Amino acid sequence: DIVMTQTPLSLSVTPGQSASISCKSPQSLLHSDGKTYLSWYLQKPGQSPQLLINVVSSRFSGVPDRFSGSGSGTDFTLRISRVEAEDVGVYYCMQGLHLPWTFGQGTKVEIK
Amino acid sequence: EVQLVESGGGLVQPGGSLRLSCAASGFTFSSSGMHWVRLAPGKGLEWVAYIQGTGGTVYYPDSVKGRFTISRDNAKNSLYLQMTSLRAEDTAVYYCARDCVAGINLAAFDIWGQGTAVTVSS
Repeated sequence: DIVMTQTPLSLSVTPGQSASISCKSPQSLLHSDGKTYLSWYLQKPGQSPQLLINVVSSRFSGVPDRFSGSGSGTDFTLRISRVEAEDVGVYYCMQGLHLPWTFGQGTKVEIK
Repeated sequence: EVQLVESGGGLVQPGGSLRLSCAASGFTFSSSGMHWVRLAPGKGLEWVAYIQGTGGTVYYPDSVKGRFTISRDNAKNSLYLQMTSLRAEDTAVYYCARDCVAGINLAAFDIWGQGTAVTVSS
């Protein structure tokens, strides 16, 4: 199984500052169709997970442009610029290329 | 409104069985691959099962293979997860989720239900 490694596992951020979460895969997530199947999810307290970013950098409908994804191959980053109180929760990366599809351990983001 | 609503969770003894349901609305259900994903207490998200829109292809991780069965009824816009030989480690909130990738061997989840809790305990 592909073990997705996220760092850090927890993050405390001052409102208005930026935050970055790293996600690494031991194998490339680049498909022969040219797309890289790495997505990011946020699970806010008491809510279901929600899709933030698909195929590395494509923001899902309604996701603020404060969220951005980058990376290629095996190394990926989710960046949150101008963090707001509503951004608290656990962030997960997920690889959708190699069965079984797997998530990172999660990164808990809190506001200072 | 695009919506997924799970039901069927509850308390079950080890070795027991449970059937989860997920009612879909607001989109063409039969055209969408569907998944079950779970969140165990103190752990991270784990993908549990996938079924193609036609129902012709299903996938499971080894942790549930042979014990869980995913199925769907496109006439009823419903997704199911039959869970047997349940273990304590199957205790989790189970979410149904819609696949948003074109390709049965690829996955990302764009719509999630609210989840249904399963507790396996004597």
